Amino acid sequence: NAGVTQTPKFQVLKTGQSMTLQCAQDMNHEYMSWYRQDPGMGLRLIHYSVGAGITDQGEVPNGYNVSRSTTEDFPLRLLSAAPSQTSVYFCASSSYTDTQYFGPGTRLTVL
Amino acid sequence: GESVGLHLPTLSVQEGDNSIINCAYSNSASDYFIWYKQESGKGPQFIIDIRSNMDKRQGQRVTVLLNKTVKHLSLQIAATQPGDSAVYFCAEMGGTYKYIFGTGTRLKVLA
Repeated sequence: NAGVTQTPKFQVLKTGQSMTLQCAQDMNHEYMSWYRQDPGMGLRLIHYSVGAGITDQGEVPNGYNVSRSTTEDFPLRLLSAAPSQTSVYFCASSSYTDTQYFGPGTRLTVL
Repeated sequence: GESVGLHLPTLSVQEGDNSIINCAYSNSASDYFIWYKQESGKGPQFIIDIRSNMDKRQGQRVTVLLNKTVKHLSLQIAATQPGDSAVYFCAEMGGTYKYIFGTGTRLKVLA
């Protein structure tokens, strides 16, 4: 069982570039979410999904888009990267009756 | 290198002693609480959880206490070991699958 996987592990972008962070889970979890983690701060919710075809905004959604076309995948898109988006990004998933399980993270630097 | 956890409150304990990590949560309507452990370069890992209809729950070497009156959560680690060194986060959830994370506490175990 792979659990929650994220790719890439590291990424460097230039300001204005776009990219997609990939997240996949093989536990058939309904709920998936994206967080960012900045130094000295806890995890802040960017977007989440309670099932395929359903997404909603979290605490810090600006500059990010998501879609959930399948139960397994929940990609996070940065349309025009900014230095303020330099962070560590975590994807998580859970069933309705269980706690969240986190992926290993993607470390993004925007120059 | 380590980019997460700068400027976090730090608890230093002697190996073999008990550790107590505290957390104040924000939403009196939250009904599910979780403690996570995050080691350097990894995603948060589930330790223990508790629902609002309980005030204490025990796991292997860990105990979570919930005081709803003052909105306080604590994590007790018995016989702290070097492998317990990490950043510990509490999280609360109140019915909408939106988890709110605390800023974290760094635990340092002294040999």
